[in-house]
Amino acid sequence: GESVGLHLPTLSVQEGDNSIINCAYSNSASDYFIWYKQESGKGPQFIIDIRSNMDKRQGQRVTVLLNKTVKHLSLQIAATQPGDSAVYFCAENPQAGTALIFGKGTTLSVSS
Amino acid sequence: DARVTQTPRDKVTEMGQEVTMRCQPILGHNTVFWYRQTMMQGLELLAYFRNRAPLDDSGMPKDRFSAEMPDATLATLKIQPSEPRDSAVYFCASGFLFGNEQFFGPGTRLTVL
Repeated sequence: GESVGLHLPTLSVQEGDNSIINCAYSNSASDYFIWYKQESGKGPQFIIDIRSNMDKRQGQRVTVLLNKTVKHLSLQIAATQPGDSAVYFCAENPQAGTALIFGKGTTLSVSS
Repeated sequence: DARVTQTPRDKVTEMGQEVTMRCQPILGHNTVFWYRQTMMQGLELLAYFRNRAPLDDSGMPKDRFSAEMPDATLATLKIQPSEPRDSAVYFCASGFLFGNEQFFGPGTRLTVL
């Protein structure tokens, strides 16, 4: 399944599907953009980051895409698993090592 | 494995009481952050420290909140007096000077009645 539009608060997919979570950011001057995953009752956990001079970065089962023209960030999760169920936050980091500016989260629900 | 620890995990108190939350950052990390999470506001920065010195506390209501790092292994966030609107989950995170990955603790869930 895929999300449509810039931001949806919830996304429901079937196990094995690919998921796409979108985020719009505001500060064109931010140096880094980061995705965090937050499971119920836990603190956010770093997934992947991308520097502003890149447009794509891949990790293990995840890909982050950055479109600076429209200030849009997306996280793609391949072969989504039930363990991927969580709230996903995008964040801006104006400068490495400084405080993060978090966006609204998207709740991903994966059904088997 | 190295983790950020926070105490207490849960705190219920009455309006007007003092609340102190503690955080032990990961050894070797020189930047420590305090964030607050609520349903309405999401995750927002309260304050952060580098090498124990406060760098930014603009997100913190200074009349009632104070944050300190007595030493490199302890960060504290104090609210005095607490108010019901302070009810939230407070997260501590730590990281390196030029790193993007911030390691979050499990949070302190604060309820002010």
